[in-house]
Amino acid sequence: ILNVEQSPQSLHVQEGDSTNFTCSFPSSNFYALHWYRWETAKSPEALFVMTLNGDEKKKGRISATLNTKEGYSYLYIKGSQPEDSATYLCAFGGSQGNLIFGKGTKLSVKP
Amino acid sequence: EAQVTQNPRYLITVTGKKLTVTCSQNMNHEYMSWYRQDPGLGLRQIYYSMNVEVTDKGDVPEGYKVSRKEKRNFPLILESPSPNQTSLYFCASSFSTGELFFGEGSRLTVL
Repeated sequence: ILNVEQSPQSLHVQEGDSTNFTCSFPSSNFYALHWYRWETAKSPEALFVMTLNGDEKKKGRISATLNTKEGYSYLYIKGSQPEDSATYLCAFGGSQGNLIFGKGTKLSVKP
Repeated sequence: EAQVTQNPRYLITVTGKKLTVTCSQNMNHEYMSWYRQDPGLGLRQIYYSMNVEVTDKGDVPEGYKVSRKEKRNFPLILESPSPNQTSLYFCASSFSTGELFFGEGSRLTVL
């Protein structure tokens, strides 16, 4: 069974802090690495989909990097705001079309 | 408005009573998939479909069936529901294996 690990499980930061999370995934049969933001009582929303080793993507204060050879991706949030509080999910997309999610990192940003 | 629509959103049923959760998308996406979300276990893929008439098992397919007779619809069928299928279910769709668009979720309770 393929495993996707996210760390830390939860994180509490102060408004204005910058933070980052890790996603580890299998390095074989890789097709894509997804990041999603999931607010309580809502549905997950896509942040990034990355396919190439060395890829870096940015959306506002949030950015992500990808290393497919060693099987990890980092998500960075610069200058965290209370509205960034959510669970951040990564998902490994295999070459056969399956998508395996990690259990997420729950971020709480205190004003 | 581009969306993924699931029905019902909430359902309480009894063991053994067949039920179907419908999923429909209006974005002409090829890829559709079903997930269940359980506390401490994250999102787990039940079934996915790369295109019409093509379906594949995800990580937790036991006790579920799906069909993909039309591009826009991907119903999830529980032939004989059991209490361990009590969960929050999400349908999602995308172009190929790009970013997923999620439905609002269906909360199912099996007594």
